[in-house]
Amino acid sequence: NAGVTQTPKFQVLKTGQSMTLQCAQDMNHNSMYWYRQDPGMGLRLIYYSASEGTTDKGEVPNGYNVSRLNKREFSLRLESAAPSQTSVYFCASSAQGRTEAFFGQGTRLTVV
Amino acid sequence: QQQVKQSPQSLIVQKGGISIINCAYENTAFDYFPWYQQFPGKGPALLIAIRPDVSEKKEGRFTISFNKSAKQFSLHIMDSQPGDSATYFCAAGLDSNYQLIWGAGTKLIIKP
Repeated sequence: NAGVTQTPKFQVLKTGQSMTLQCAQDMNHNSMYWYRQDPGMGLRLIYYSASEGTTDKGEVPNGYNVSRLNKREFSLRLESAAPSQTSVYFCASSAQGRTEAFFGQGTRLTVV
Repeated sequence: QQQVKQSPQSLIVQKGGISIINCAYENTAFDYFPWYQQFPGKGPALLIAIRPDVSEKKEGRFTISFNKSAKQFSLHIMDSQPGDSATYFCAAGLDSNYQLIWGAGTKLIIKP
């Protein structure tokens, strides 16, 4: 049982480049989330999808876009990467909003 | 009003001792308070969670104490073991939406 799978695990981008972070879950969960984790700041929600077909902004959505491709997959796109987007990105899923969230292993992104 | 303040930032405890991590919140509408444990290179994993209708919840060596009037909750790890060395995050959420507000994290080191 893979749980939540994120790709890639590491990425280095140049300022202005674009990329898409992929996330897939195999737990038949309705809700999916993208967080960023920065030292001393905990986790901050970028976007979430309460159910297939819906997406909503979280605390720090600027500079990002998301797509809920189907129930399993939720991708995060950086259209024009900036050094401020250097972070560790986590995808998570839960059966519904108020239940346990399961996290992927993270993507360490560096923008130079 | 959306902040969750977590302390201490780091904590060193002798093996067999009690580890205590504290969190405080301001928004009295929060109704879900989970604690997550994160090992290096991994995503956070749910450890234990509480709702404000109870003052304490215990699961094995882990206990959440909740003080609604003081707007504080804490994690106690009894008989702390080296395997408990990790970063711990508290969070708070609202039943009306899917967003969790996270504390900044506490790096716990258990000395053998």
